[in-house]
Amino acid sequence: GENVEQHPSTLSVQEGDSAVIKCTYSDSASNYFPWYKQELGKRPQLIIDIRSNVGEKKDQRIAVTLNKTAKHFSLHITETQPEDSAVYFCASRRGVFSGGYNKLIFGAGTRLAVHP
Amino acid sequence: EPEVTQTPSHQVTQMGQEVILRCVPISNHLYFYWYRQILGQKVEFLVSFYNNEISEKSEIFDDQFSVERPDGSNFTLKIRSTKLEDSAMYFCASSVRLVVNTEAFFGQGTRLTVV
Repeated sequence: GENVEQHPSTLSVQEGDSAVIKCTYSDSASNYFPWYKQELGKRPQLIIDIRSNVGEKKDQRIAVTLNKTAKHFSLHITETQPEDSAVYFCASRRGVFSGGYNKLIFGAGTRLAVHP
Repeated sequence: EPEVTQTPSHQVTQMGQEVILRCVPISNHLYFYWYRQILGQKVEFLVSFYNNEISEKSEIFDDQFSVERPDGSNFTLKIRSTKLEDSAMYFCASSVRLVVNTEAFFGQGTRLTVV
């Protein structure tokens, strides 16, 4: 069935270090891969997304890479800051011409702690 | 910036009672969703809604659940007879259309506690 595995479940880094979170998806029909940041008690907010026709996308300190062959995608945060501390969720969604395209399938989340 | 808004922020209910969770999606959005997140677990899809009907639902969304768009702005999730295991954070989301790169915007959530 559809599943997204996310690792690690917790990640602790020093301010200024890089953080990498990895996800693996099972559904070959997936072609949209967003990343959400959820601060404590708040809503998930989209921070970056990537589509299957792109291998890498960057937005300032955040980058996402996609390997469709291996069904892997990763979030990279460089020069981490304490305000990056949150839970990060990866997700996948099928293409609009595939059945079951209405839903996001989420990973279990990674709790990132950035220490000053 | 437009936001998805949900009420109430926290609802406590007794087991067996009916609850209605309310959402106001972003005004020009056409697709609406409910997700839930049991404490410490992943966000799970419940149901999607388009053109006044359910377009997809998960195994979680059984006969105890229903959704409705009673007017042009509200989108509600009803749980007919709550169980302890329904305790979770429920997120409403909406998107403007359904194409590959359309972002789903989430509300701030309703924390449902069933006692």
